[in-house]
Amino acid sequence: QKEVEQNSGPLSVPEGAIASLNCTYSDRGSQSFFWYRQYSGKSPELIMSIYSNGDKEDGRFTAQLNKASQYVSLLIRDSQPSDSATYLCAVNMGRSYNTDKLIFGTGTRLQVFP
Amino acid sequence: KAGVTQTPRYLIKTRGQQVTLSCSPISGHRSVSWYQQTPGQGLQFLFEYFSETQRNKGNFPGRFSGRQFSNSRSEMNVSTLELGDSALYLCASSQRLIGTGSTDTQYFGPGTRLTVL
Repeated sequence: QKEVEQNSGPLSVPEGAIASLNCTYSDRGSQSFFWYRQYSGKSPELIMSIYSNGDKEDGRFTAQLNKASQYVSLLIRDSQPSDSATYLCAVNMGRSYNTDKLIFGTGTRLQVFP
Repeated sequence: KAGVTQTPRYLIKTRGQQVTLSCSPISGHRSVSWYQQTPGQGLQFLFEYFSETQRNKGNFPGRFSGRQFSNSRSEMNVSTLELGDSALYLCASSQRLIGTGSTDTQYFGPGTRLTVL
């Protein structure tokens, strides 16, 4: 079992629709979760971080966390063609508190068509 | 505030050589992590440094090493290069603090594209 799993896609949605991206993780003790967006040939850029169960909203983006189910999701409302990119789920699995070890999923490629 | 910088941006080496990559974190950031990204394996964690100490390590052979300096700048070294080491090497920094107020949000540099021939 991979430590962080995502569907590789592509996920194709029409412009204006809601895109839903999902991620599961294996380490039940993980506390920090992140979504990054990566355009082709570029480095990952942070979209959202989430630490507590429930929803966290930032503009068109909503991250959802369910630690009991070991599940993280990202919703993109009013999807735009410029949102077409690979979305990476990352979980901090540092071996002790206050250390960094981001484990990434393989990413979901999102395509938003006009 | 300037972002994470990495040098060089592109590098071509031959098998058996060694290479050193450099990373300057965001000002005030003390934690630096390194990642390898390939089409087949995705983004994989190499190691994390804080206050010149390696705190976390990924599953890479000993040919991959790193260090951090007192100004938080970091270098990684790959010895005896193999064809499979061709990849994008990414550095990320976070504003880890001693005690409370620490944040683990990592910001990535542009990467160094290494090609091994």
